[in-house]
Amino acid sequence: QQQVKQSPQSLIVQKGGISIINCAYENTAFDYFPWYQQFPGKGPALLIAIRPDVSEKKEGRFTISFNKSAKQFSLHIMDSQPGDSATYFCAASEDKSTFGDGTTLTVKP
Amino acid sequence: EAGVTQFPSHSVIEKGQTVTLRCDPISGHDNLYWYRRVMGKEIKFLLHFVKESKQDESGMPNNRFLAERTGGTYSTLKVQPAELEDSGVYFCASSLQSSYNSPLHFGNGTRLTVT
Repeated sequence: QQQVKQSPQSLIVQKGGISIINCAYENTAFDYFPWYQQFPGKGPALLIAIRPDVSEKKEGRFTISFNKSAKQFSLHIMDSQPGDSATYFCAASEDKSTFGDGTTLTVKP
Repeated sequence: EAGVTQFPSHSVIEKGQTVTLRCDPISGHDNLYWYRRVMGKEIKFLLHFVKESKQDESGMPNNRFLAERTGGTYSTLKVQPAELEDSGVYFCASSLQSSYNSPLHFGNGTRLTVT
C-alpha cells in the first residue's frame, strides 16, 4: 500500500497561473513533509518543507498548505513560470523519507 | 562544495549480468541513502548507511542486491544477477544528520536498463 498519494500525475498551466499539487498520507507518525523539484537529467532537489505544527509555509512563489486532520498537504506555485517546468515530488518522513509518484508540471509561455 | 556524484549515468545490461553502481556523497555527510524510481512511480527507499554501517535496509528488494560502504565514504550497489524488473533510475542521496528532517542531497541518478 502506497503511503503517500500524489495528484495529479501531470499538470499544464499557463504562464502566470497557479499550479497546485496535492498529496495525502496515511501514517500519522510522519512529521516532516518536504517537496522536491527535479529537472530532466538531474536528481531531486529540496524545494520547501513543512512540519505539522504549522498550517502554511511560504517561500517566494512557493507555498505549502498543510491540513493535519485531513492528512493532506499541497504545493502552490504562484505566478508559474516556464522555468518551473519540472517534476515535483512530495514526501513524508518519519525515520526515512517516503515519496509520492511525482507530478510533471508544464508551464506554457 | 561538490554535490553527490553517481557513476555511471546510464547502464544497459542483459538479464543475468552483473552491474555495480557507485555513489560519492558530499564530503562530511555520514548518512547515505539509496533510492530507486521505476517506470514513473514513486521514489522508493532501498537502504540507509550511517558511515559504514547499514542503519536500515528494509527497502532492499531481494538478495540479488548488495550495498556496501567500505570506510564510510563512497558506496556501491551491486545487482547480481540482474532481472528485467530491476530497470529504473537509482538515486543516491546524502545528508549531514541522520534525523528525519535533515535535507536529502540527491545525485543525478543512474538509469539502469535490463534487456
